Amino acid sequence: QSVLTQPPSVSGAPGQRVTISCTGSSSNIGAGYDVQWYQQLPGTAPKLLIYGNSNRPSGVPDRFSGSKSGTSASLAIAGLQAEDEADYYCQFYDSSLSVVVFGGGTKLTVL
Amino acid sequence: QVQLQESGPGLVKPSETLSLTCVVSGYSISSGYNWGWIRQPPGKGLEWIGSIYHSGSTYYSPSLKSRVTISVDTSKNQFSLKLSSVTAADTAVYYCARPRNSGWFGAFEIWGQGTMVTVSS
Repeated sequence: QSVLTQPPSVSGAPGQRVTISCTGSSSNIGAGYDVQWYQQLPGTAPKLLIYGNSNRPSGVPDRFSGSKSGTSASLAIAGLQAEDEADYYCQFYDSSLSVVVFGGGTKLTVL
Repeated sequence: QVQLQESGPGLVKPSETLSLTCVVSGYSISSGYNWGWIRQPPGKGLEWIGSIYHSGSTYYSPSLKSRVTISVDTSKNQFSLKLSSVTAADTAVYYCARPRNSGWFGAFEIWGQGTMVTVSS
């Protein structure tokens, strides 16, 4: 049971915008720790999608955006495409404990 | 371009020690970064196992700390994972990974392809 809670699944039609939430608490996200997001396509290693709450590594389409507010973070995917169907994970580093924490993951289905 | 490659036995017996190595190419481990191990049981989410700084400082998941040892061999440009007293619950794909920036934890930007380890007699 992770300290970061994600919805098990979300879905959307092609072209739509979906958001995936990552809910923490005042001791993690709310304490100011940065949140990262990963995309994991079936049978592949995770890919860093967003770092530092809202920054995209080069090569990641700007359809993907991250934000953080209070004790939660969100990943938004605009203009949904079939190839976006994957599992998505949030993650933060608790520097007070020197521990990396992943959320439970969210499966995105493109209808 | 930096690449990571995991290697090790795909089958480990219960109560024995799982041993994996991550060979790094395209970058000298001794130059920096916290190098990490992450695992993923079949059909489940990602779990951070631990990380090691190039100098040898280690950081472990509290839930696995009593059974985990991560070490680095700069002469071979690789780092290793040992997990003792394994059970079926340790069956997973094991990944090695490097963060985006040196000194960072998490924000793993470079990943190995992963290696499946099954714990079974």
